[in-house]
Amino acid sequence: ETGVTQSPTHLIKTRGQQVTLRCSSQSGHNTVSWYQQALGQGPQFIFQYYREEENGRGNFPPRFSGLQFPNYSSELNVNALELDDSALYLCASSLDQGKTEAFFGQGTRLTVV
Amino acid sequence: AQRVTQPEKLLSVFKGAPVELKCNYSYSGSPELFWYVQYSRQRLQLLLRHISRESIKGFTADLNKGETSFHLKKPFAQEEDSAMYYCALSPFTFRGTGKLIFGQGTTLQVKP
Repeated sequence: ETGVTQSPTHLIKTRGQQVTLRCSSQSGHNTVSWYQQALGQGPQFIFQYYREEENGRGNFPPRFSGLQFPNYSSELNVNALELDDSALYLCASSLDQGKTEAFFGQGTRLTVV
Repeated sequence: AQRVTQPEKLLSVFKGAPVELKCNYSYSGSPELFWYVQYSRQRLQLLLRHISRESIKGFTADLNKGETSFHLKKPFAQEEDSAMYYCALSPFTFRGTGKLIFGQGTTLQVKP
């Protein structure tokens, strides 16, 4: 059984650019949630995907979008990057919409300059 | 508003001393409460959840609905307990999103 993996681990982008972050969920998990963790803060819920459909969204603008594939892996896309988007982005997978334990990836550190 | 508050950014204790990491929440319904832990250079992982009512690594947490608190306790701290601890709430929703609302975290430092 493999754990949650995220790629890349680090990324530097320029303001205004677009970025795609990737997440492979734990084997057998059909739900993926994305979180943004700014420095010194707790993770903040961005959105969740369950069986390829968005299933709940936090207080993030539409330029944050996502996708879940048939194998349940997921992407987080951020358009028109702003300096405040600099953060650690965490992916968590779980079974059945988070009714069981969420397993987190190691995160992608995004720096916007 | 749904909110989790951890009033202490840093808690420093000596080995063998009791530990209490505070967590207060704001939620009008019946939430599910969790404690997550992140050890140095490791990923965030679940420590315990209130519905399990179990003790993990000597830690316990009791949900107090009257005080809307879910404090994490351990009678005798060990050096290996040094880590960042996050309290989290999962609000009940009809569709069962299972999203987590995290507090800001408390760094526990256990000194030898």
